[in-house]
Amino acid sequence: GQQVQQSPASLVLQEGENAELQCNFSTSLNSMQWFYQRPGGSLVSLFYNPSGTKQSGRLTSTTVIKERRSSLHISSSQTTDSGTYLCALASSFSKLVFGQGTSLSVVP
Amino acid sequence: GGIITQTPKFLIGQEGQKLTLKCQQNFNHDTMYWYRQDSGKGLRLIYYSITENDLQKGDLSEGYDASREKKSSFSLTVTSAQKNEMAVFLCASNGPNYAEQFFGPGTRLTVL
Repeated sequence: GQQVQQSPASLVLQEGENAELQCNFSTSLNSMQWFYQRPGGSLVSLFYNPSGTKQSGRLTSTTVIKERRSSLHISSSQTTDSGTYLCALASSFSKLVFGQGTSLSVVP
Repeated sequence: GGIITQTPKFLIGQEGQKLTLKCQQNFNHDTMYWYRQDSGKGLRLIYYSITENDLQKGDLSEGYDASREKKSSFSLTVTSAQKNEMAVFLCASNGPNYAEQFFGPGTRLTVL
């Protein structure tokens, strides 16, 4: 089965609402990254977070290895947050295995 | 800081043609990767290289060759382009010990 599962697949928010994106994994973890991608754009690394909680502005990432999950919390969403959010983990060596992504749309 | 550049940004080829994509990084990273991203799907690993002249196959290596002649550059060759290979190809690199991976801007491949 899939090693990395992301949910939800898509999400529509009103501007100002919060969102919680989930990433569940079935394999051992050596690193976890969250990326942001605009349509037609490249991947921008948001967090490198193998364990614990990290915050950057309105974004917070929490990885709980025991529970095999990582989450990305977006607070006070803005229209410019729209795009695709991808989680990826490395279990063996540094090869990243990606989830299918969450497509986020923030409407005014 | 550093940067990863990919050339060309857009690549158009004929079916059956051999096509080469190039990637350069100035992070001085040892490990480099080529991923393929199909529309609406996640990324899949094609090839990676842990040092100069090293090549390792990923999950999607059939139909591709790679070359790592210098530490700073990693090339990917589509040996015989097919219409079902139209996708965005992303190059990445990272340092040792499961370090954070950084990505280039991508090359969009179209096959006519």
